[in-house]
Amino acid sequence: NAGVTQTPKFQVLKTGQSMTLQCAQDMNHEYMSWYRQDPGMGLRLIHYSVGAGITDQGEVPNGYNVSRSTTEDFPLRLLSAAPSQTSVYFCASSSGRGTGGYNEQFFGPGTRLTVL
Amino acid sequence: TQLLEQSPQFLSIQEGENLTVYCNSSSVFSSLQWYRQEPGEGPVLLVTVVTGGEVKKLKRLTFQFGDARKDSSLHITAAQPGDTGLYLCAGGGGSNYKLTFGKGTLLTVNP
Repeated sequence: NAGVTQTPKFQVLKTGQSMTLQCAQDMNHEYMSWYRQDPGMGLRLIHYSVGAGITDQGEVPNGYNVSRSTTEDFPLRLLSAAPSQTSVYFCASSSGRGTGGYNEQFFGPGTRLTVL
Repeated sequence: TQLLEQSPQFLSIQEGENLTVYCNSSSVFSSLQWYRQEPGEGPVLLVTVVTGGEVKKLKRLTFQFGDARKDSSLHITAAQPGDTGLYLCAGGGGSNYKLTFGKGTLLTVNP
């Protein structure tokens, strides 16, 4: 199993450009989520999904869209990139069957995004 | 909004020393996780605690959940350079869908 994969690993955008961060998992996990990690701010939840066709907002959803058409894939779209979206983005998935339920998450390696 | 405060924010010690990292909140959590993150990688789950007063051991790491399920600690015995990394605590609330992370403790163990 590859686990959780994310592409690209690095990306530089200009203000106003749009792009999609890809996330895929091969563990048949129901739950998937997107976080951003900023210095001094920790990990903050952007959007999450508890199954195909079901998504919901996290703590910092503005400026981002998600969709979940399959169990495996959970792409994150930046509609019009802003410098404030410069961050490291992590995708995570969970089966929900561990002791901590959906809180026991497997993380991808991250995408480092810079918006100029 | 549930908040988790971790202390200390930074910790630099010599190989062989013991250390304790704290994770505190005013909120009650249904479960609490500890993750470790190495530079350039995603966090990796170390342990989950769910019962007030619970103690779990993972080799040289000892995790404790407070009796009231509002706080937790991580104790490392005889730290090694391989323990270097960012230690994150994370708590789950009633919905079980939204995980709240602390800001982390950056541990450096010098040989």
